[in-house]
Amino acid sequence: RKEVEQDPGPFNVPEGATVAFNCTYSNSASQSFFWYRQDCRKEPKLLMSVYSSGNEDGRFTAQLNRASQYISLLIRDSKLSDSATYLCVVNQGYGGSQGNLIFGKGTKLSVKP
Amino acid sequence: GAVVSQHPSRVICKSGTSVKIECRSLDFQATTMFWYRQFPKQSLMLMATSNEGSKATYEQGVEKDKFLINHASLTLSTLTVTSAHPEDSSFYICSAMTGLYGYTFGSGTRLTVV
Repeated sequence: RKEVEQDPGPFNVPEGATVAFNCTYSNSASQSFFWYRQDCRKEPKLLMSVYSSGNEDGRFTAQLNRASQYISLLIRDSKLSDSATYLCVVNQGYGGSQGNLIFGKGTKLSVKP
Repeated sequence: GAVVSQHPSRVICKSGTSVKIECRSLDFQATTMFWYRQFPKQSLMLMATSNEGSKATYEQGVEKDKFLINHASLTLSTLTVTSAHPEDSSFYICSAMTGLYGYTFGSGTRLTVV
């Protein structure tokens, strides 16, 4: 089983649509969770951290289910500029220390006019 | 915010030559730097973790003699791809830890070996 697994997509949606991405992780000891956005041939950029209680940042809502080892990202009212690859990222952080980030392959989103 | 400057952004080299990639933390001290590689349509894969003043820790399957990492100062880490071959062509990217759970990425280096 892969450490961080995502549906690769692509998701092709019209402007204004709501789209949801899912992610599962294999290591139950994982400590922190993120969604990153990566544009073509660019470095990943942090979109938002994901907290157990769920969190929202404007049109973006992230959820974490530790029991199911499942993370989600919901994008409402999609914009053309949301077109990118969305990376589910997990920090395993052994023994309470900060570890390296484990990246999923990413889910490609294409928002059409 | 914290910035990591990575150079060069793009390099084309001949097979058998070596290429050095630099990552500098511009306004903070990066005691730990991570080096990743990303092949097309693949996820970023950690190659090695470098700590200032000590030897880098390489991930399984990554040849330490081929990918030389130097982290001699708190603001500079370098990755040298020695005797590059076409299969080394990839997107190389560094990342530095900034605070408790923050990470800042360099802008990446696209290496093409011909």
